[in-house]
Amino acid sequence: DQQVKQNSPSLSVQEGRISILNCDYTNSMFDYFLWYKKYPAEGPTFLISISSIKDKNEDGRFTVFLNKSAKHLSLHIVPSQPGDSAVYFCAKFGNEKLTFGTGTRLTIIP
Amino acid sequence: NAGVMQNPRHLVRRRGQEARLRCSPVKGHSHVYWYRQLPEEGLKFMVYLQKENIIDESGMPKERFSAEFPKEGPSILRIQQVVRGDSAAYFCASSKDRKDTEAFFGQGTRLTVV
Repeated sequence: DQQVKQNSPSLSVQEGRISILNCDYTNSMFDYFLWYKKYPAEGPTFLISISSIKDKNEDGRFTVFLNKSAKHLSLHIVPSQPGDSAVYFCAKFGNEKLTFGTGTRLTIIP
Repeated sequence: NAGVMQNPRHLVRRRGQEARLRCSPVKGHSHVYWYRQLPEEGLKFMVYLQKENIIDESGMPKERFSAEFPKEGPSILRIQQVVRGDSAAYFCASSKDRKDTEAFFGQGTRLTVV
């Protein structure tokens, strides 16, 4: 039972354009959703989060949108930079633990 | 100000041997989580520990796997009689508080069973 789904395993975006990463969830019980970024051979690093009572959170180039009726959230990165190339995981925080999606590999094309 | 430290970074074990993975949390953090990432998959929760207590082990395989977080020293994830299917990257994360959403991850231990 995969509670958090990232249906796009990979995404390529031109440098300077907007990157949009998507995440769907099935179980409505959660406190927060978080996005983590992961480089090869490194652990995930926290990027941005959104609480269940909000529909948008912005931090610099990163904005996360939460659509509770559609059980969908998305991460927008604008403008995209070469250093953004990584695997992005969305994760649900509930019951005191994180449940991760399978990740989306973002490649920024110079 | 060290982050989460995991060692070893790489571990090779023959089938049937034991694997011990160590995790030292961020200084001042008393909550530790272990996650496993199989090839081409996301991170799967295994176990959540506080000092000397297992809080949630719902993601741990029923046999051969155990975890501890003693009063002194690092958290240990122990896999007995390893099999090829145990080959994965094992990540440890720590947080200050059980309600702390932002867990800090270590660099992981890549276990290869040959």
